[in-house]
Amino acid sequence: DVKVTQSSRYLVKRTGEKVFLECVQDMDHENMFWYRQDPGLGLRLIYFSYDVKMKEKGDIPEGYSVSREKKERFSLILESASTNQTSMYLCASSSTQGAAFFGQGTRLTVV
Amino acid sequence: GEDVEQSLFLSVREGDSSVINCTYTDSSSTYLYWYKQEPGAGLQLLTYIFSNMDMKQDQRLTVLLNKKDKHLSLRIADTQTGDSAIYFCAESMGDSSYKLIFGSGTRLLVRP
Repeated sequence: DVKVTQSSRYLVKRTGEKVFLECVQDMDHENMFWYRQDPGLGLRLIYFSYDVKMKEKGDIPEGYSVSREKKERFSLILESASTNQTSMYLCASSSTQGAAFFGQGTRLTVV
Repeated sequence: GEDVEQSLFLSVREGDSSVINCTYTDSSSTYLYWYKQEPGAGLQLLTYIFSNMDMKQDQRLTVLLNKKDKHLSLRIADTQTGDSAIYFCAESMGDSSYKLIFGSGTRLLVRP
C-alpha cells in the first residue's frame, strides 16, 4: 500500500522560529511536492523536487526552502515563520508521469 | 494559461447519483485525476484517466472525458453520506515537470 507520511499532524510555532516539516515516502518515487492549502485559494505549489538534491520553485516559494538529501525524504523549511504562513501543508510524491499520492497534511499555526 | 475550474458546491440526496464537473485548459495534459479530501485530512486519489480514453469505470465511480471541450466529470452512483467531502480535479502538465494543477474543489454534501 502506498504511503506518504508527514511528521506532524498539528504544529504551533512562534513568529520568527525556524520550522521544519518532514515528509517521507516509501514508494521509491522520483518526484516529491509541497503544497499549501488555504480556504478560497485551493492548493498552491510551494516547491517540488524531481530527483535527489534537485529542486524547483513552485508558484509561491517566497519564505520557504526545501531539502532533498535522500530520495525518500523531502523537507520544507520556513526560515523565519510568520503568521501569514499559518496553513495546511500537504506533501505528495509521484513516479514519472504518475499520479500523486498525498500525506495526511500538517496544520501549522504561527502565533 | 493553466487553469482548472470546478463548481464550488453540490448537494444530493443519499442514494442518488452525483455528477461533479471540471474544465481544464492544457490540451497536452497526459493524465487527469480525481481526488477526495475529507475534513482535516490529506487528499486521497480516487481515480484517474489517461488522456486518450473517453471513459473509465471503477465500481461506483465513472469518469467521462471530453477532450474536444476539455471537460471532465466524475459520477458517483448510489451516493452515500460517507461520500460527503471535497472533490478535486487535477491535470498533469504536458511538460517535463510532472506538476499537477488542481481545481479549487467541489464540496459534495449528501443529505440523508
